[in-house]
Amino acid sequence: NAGVTQTPKFRVLKTGQSMTLLCAQDMNHEYMYWYRQDPGMGLRLIHYSVGEGTTAKGEVPDGYNVSRLKKQNFLLGLESAAPSQTSVYFCASRTGHSQLFEAFFGQGTRLTVV
Amino acid sequence: GENVEQHPSTLSVQEGDSAVIKCTYSDSASNYFPWYKQELGKRPQLIIDIRSNVGEKKDQRIAVTLNKTAKHFSLHITETQPEDSAVYFCAASTGTASKLTFGTGTRLQVTL
Repeated sequence: NAGVTQTPKFRVLKTGQSMTLLCAQDMNHEYMYWYRQDPGMGLRLIHYSVGEGTTAKGEVPDGYNVSRLKKQNFLLGLESAAPSQTSVYFCASRTGHSQLFEAFFGQGTRLTVV
Repeated sequence: GENVEQHPSTLSVQEGDSAVIKCTYSDSASNYFPWYKQELGKRPQLIIDIRSNVGEKKDQRIAVTLNKTAKHFSLHITETQPEDSAVYFCAASTGTASKLTFGTGTRLQVTL
């Protein structure tokens, strides 16, 4: 049981390049989230999904796109990377059962845009 | 949307002392309040949580209190140990998607 796994763990991009971050969970969770973490700013929600085929914008969605074609996977895309997107990205998932709220996090992806 | 404020941003205590971190939230509909501990270079890990129908919860040296009227909640760590040194985040969960809104974090340093 791996929990939540993010790929890759580290990446350096040049300004204008594109990339996709993959989040995979094996807990059959309905809800999945993408956060970015910057020094002094906590974790901010980029996009989230409440089920396969559905996505919604979070607090800081600009410059990112997401897809949830399979229940276990949540992809975060950067079409044209900018230095402001240098950050640590965390994926999280949780069950949709109303009484169980714990969110489980992946190990993070450290992205640098030069 | 929800807004969570967290204080202090840094906290230094001596081993064995208590540490208190406070958070306030803005959305009265928030119903779940977790606390996460994050060590350097690691993922956030849940250490304790509380739901809106409970005023206090304790787990060994860690306790959380919630005041729904004032919309604030606090983390209490007693008998601190060096391994408690980390960044702690509070969060509030709102809506059917249970989106978590995080505070900006408290760096706790436990000195010998």
